Parts: sequence; structure tokens; C-alpha cells
Amino acid sequence: NAGVTQTPKFRVLKTGQSMTLLCAQDMNHEYMYWYRQDPGMGLRLIHYSVGEGTTAKGEVPDGYNVSRLKKQNFLLGLESAAPSQTSVYFCASTLGQGPFYSNQPQHFGDGTRLSIL
Amino acid sequence: AQTVTQSQPEMSVQEAETVTLSCTYDTSENNYYLFWYKQPPSRQMILVIRQEAYKQQNATENRFSVNFQKAAKSFSLKISDSQLGDTAMYFCAFMKLHIQGAQKLVFGQGTRLTINP
Repeated sequence: NAGVTQTPKFRVLKTGQSMTLLCAQDMNHEYMYWYRQDPGMGLRLIHYSVGEGTTAKGEVPDGYNVSRLKKQNFLLGLESAAPSQTSVYFCASTLGQGPFYSNQPQHFGDGTRLSIL
Repeated sequence: AQTVTQSQPEMSVQEAETVTLSCTYDTSENNYYLFWYKQPPSRQMILVIRQEAYKQQNATENRFSVNFQKAAKSFSLKISDSQLGDTAMYFCAFMKLHIQGAQKLVFGQGTRLTINP
């Protein structure tokens, strides 16, 4: 009963390094999302995907790239990490199909804590 | 653009008491959803309750209920008979009703709730 799995759970990077966060879901969901959570703020949408091979920008997309090559995976990349990207990153997914699909709750992963020094 | 405001950064009550968390939002939309999410120290995001704006009846889920005031754009969460396990960060979130396309949640800043024994 995995649901949404994020890898890694913790990571420390130096400024300028690159890395990729992996989100995997085993629920055959169409829609997937990447959020960041900063102290004193709620989650903010970075990028999202409405299906394999598609991605779109959210509220705070700058400095991030994403890819959805397989339906079950949604990757978030930082090409050149900056201290401002220190945050907790959450992935989420929804089924995105069937009647009233806009009413379906988002299933969240457990988050990745990323620190940029 | 929609905004969600939670004006209580922290709250603390004794076990078994009733507590109400406040949330206000700003939107020009007429059809939308509102959610309360719980984030315990484990960091997992858990959906507590949701409300469709077109429904006049307030949503309830066991000990959790909402007071939805559409005209005032207010959406408060009431927790009755509070339990130690209710200790968590609580986020209010707004989502515009989409005929098709991905959900885009807009979160408030959160309220840290502590239930004391």
C-alpha cells in the first residue's frame, strides 16, 4: 500500500549543485504535482502534470524543471541549487478521471527536506 | 488570484476541549472547493474535511465540522472532544472548480495546534 513515494527523504546540497527529486505513485493517477513548503507559509505549487509527457508551470516554477516520462513518475530537477530553494518538497497525485474528478482529494507523499548550503 | 488567510499562527487547548480554527479566503469565483488538511509531526499531509461551495450544508466528519459562510468568505474548522493525536499543523486550502484540467490548491499559512494532556 505504497501510495505516493518520494525519494530521497533528506538531502544537503552545496550552492550550484544539481539534483533530481523522484516522485512515484502506484495508484494509476493521471495528475501529479510538486509543491514546496517554507516556514510560516502553506504549500505552493511549483509544477504539475496532467498526464504522461505533459507538464505545466504552477505558482513558483522558477529555478525548477520537471519531467513526466512515465505515468507513475514525476521528477523535479534543480539544475543549479540556490539557498533560496532550501525547503520541504511535497509531491501529490490525483486520479484525474471519471465523474467529479475535480472533487478527488490529492494524495501526498511524505516530503523531502532539502537544504542548500 | 485567490488568497487564503489563516490569522492564528498557533493555538493550544486542553484535551477534550473544543477548538475552532479560522480561515478566510478571497476569490471572485462562485464555484469552488475548500479543504482542511492536517500535517502532524510526521510531515504527512492528511485531508481532514472538504466543502463544496454550492452546498449550503456544512460538512462534518466525526469530531470535525466546518462553519462555511460563503458571503463572508469564511471557512472555520471546529474540532470537538480534542485528542492528543489532533496535535498538528492545520492548513486551509482553496480550489477553483475545474470542468477539466488539474486541480490547483491554494494554501493558507497554517495554524499550529497543540492539544495538552
